[in-house]
Amino acid sequence: AQTVTQSQPEMSVQEAETVTLSCTYDTSESDYYLFWYKQPPSRQMILVIRQEAYKQQNATENRFSVNFQKAAKSFSLKISDSQLGDAAMYFCAYRRNTGNQFYFGTGTSLTVIP
Amino acid sequence: DTAVSQTPKYLVTQMGNDKSIKCEQNLGHDTMYWYKQDSKKFLKIMFSYNNKELIINETVPNRFSPKSPDKAHLNLHINSLELGDSAVYFCASSPYSTGGTEAFFGQGTRLTVV
Repeated sequence: AQTVTQSQPEMSVQEAETVTLSCTYDTSESDYYLFWYKQPPSRQMILVIRQEAYKQQNATENRFSVNFQKAAKSFSLKISDSQLGDAAMYFCAYRRNTGNQFYFGTGTSLTVIP
Repeated sequence: DTAVSQTPKYLVTQMGNDKSIKCEQNLGHDTMYWYKQDSKKFLKIMFSYNNKELIINETVPNRFSPKSPDKAHLNLHINSLELGDSAVYFCASSPYSTGGTEAFFGQGTRLTVV
């Protein structure tokens, strides 16, 4: 069974600084997808970034980027130039290439300090 | 134009009552889900439907019964509500078999059982 582990229940970062959130996963598949979701206090789940396992290049979306290490089964999220609006719960998620099951980590609560 | 909408957003009810949460998606997706998010923010899959067929049914009390009248709707009915049912319930949808697409979430329903 696939599992997703986020080992940092809470993280904090100074405004304008950079922070990295960790995620590891366990799978025997070679083709899959990884996601980071953000859940602000409004509780809406918002996709931050997506990574295809077959791509070696790390995904980037503006201030958000990932460090995808397939062999190590690691998928960390880097937030650069942190802003107050980045304060939220962040969930790492895994999905096989076929099928429709998403596996979520337990989340990391990010605080941004002004 | 809301992609995944669920109603109501908030639901406060007494123990022993029966309640329903409705979900609709206008994205043309084949698959819909119900997730439960507890007070620790853990996201747990409850059910998944693909084209109105139940395909994931995690260990959930049989007081919870999903119903999918068509592939755009997935409702959740809960009988004999208990205090422990208090949580945020999320509906989500995704295309089936295209692993690269993320799950799209509704805004959540905060259920409080008193």
